[in-house]
Amino acid sequence: GQNIDQPTEMTATEGAIVQINCTYQTSGFNGLFWYQQHAGEAPTFLSYNVLDGLEEKGRFSSFLSRSKGYSYLLLKELQMKDSASYLCAVRDGRGYNQGGKLIFGQGTELSVKP
Amino acid sequence: NAGVTQTPKFQVLKTGQSMTLQCAQDMNHEYMSWYRQDPGMGLRLIHYSVGAGITDQGEVPNGYNVSRSTTEDFPLRLLSAAPSQTSVYFCASSYPPGQGATEAFFGQGTRLTVV
Repeated sequence: GQNIDQPTEMTATEGAIVQINCTYQTSGFNGLFWYQQHAGEAPTFLSYNVLDGLEEKGRFSSFLSRSKGYSYLLLKELQMKDSASYLCAVRDGRGYNQGGKLIFGQGTELSVKP
Repeated sequence: NAGVTQTPKFQVLKTGQSMTLQCAQDMNHEYMSWYRQDPGMGLRLIHYSVGAGITDQGEVPNGYNVSRSTTEDFPLRLLSAAPSQTSVYFCASSYPPGQGATEAFFGQGTRLTVV
């Protein structure tokens, strides 16, 4: 079956580093995405991994291990505005005319405290 | 620079009423999708389309219809609203994998309450 797991909530301190983990089990794999969603707003794209390793984008990095079905999102130098929900999504590589359907985890609510 | 536009932003329906949620994108994306988001459930796929004239069901299609007559528009129809359809609905669009940036772009959402 299809399953994506993330912690429900996390708390961290302003200026610190936080790592949000995501594990997945899907029928196939055609890429993993991280999105940020502030309360009452639409999700916005943060990062994409399709090969193993680390992708870095400013204060945000994302890591993927396909053999372990595991990814993490690393946020450095946390700011208050980083308080949001972080969604892990896997494109499963099947359906969508073989491009793959996007399957979301339930999201991790991150609270950044002063 | 409109991106993905959803209307309306808020809607209250009575049980049994029907309505259409509108979604339009101006990025010439082939893929379009509808999701619903409920507390603790993440985003769940309702219906999707890989191009004009082609649609298919996602994880939770019951009670919803879609059609795709143009590349730009992908309306979602609620046939007979039920309280269980109270949710936030998001439309998203993207290029197919292998055709440039493939992340999904989301509309601002429609907050629907069925009473």
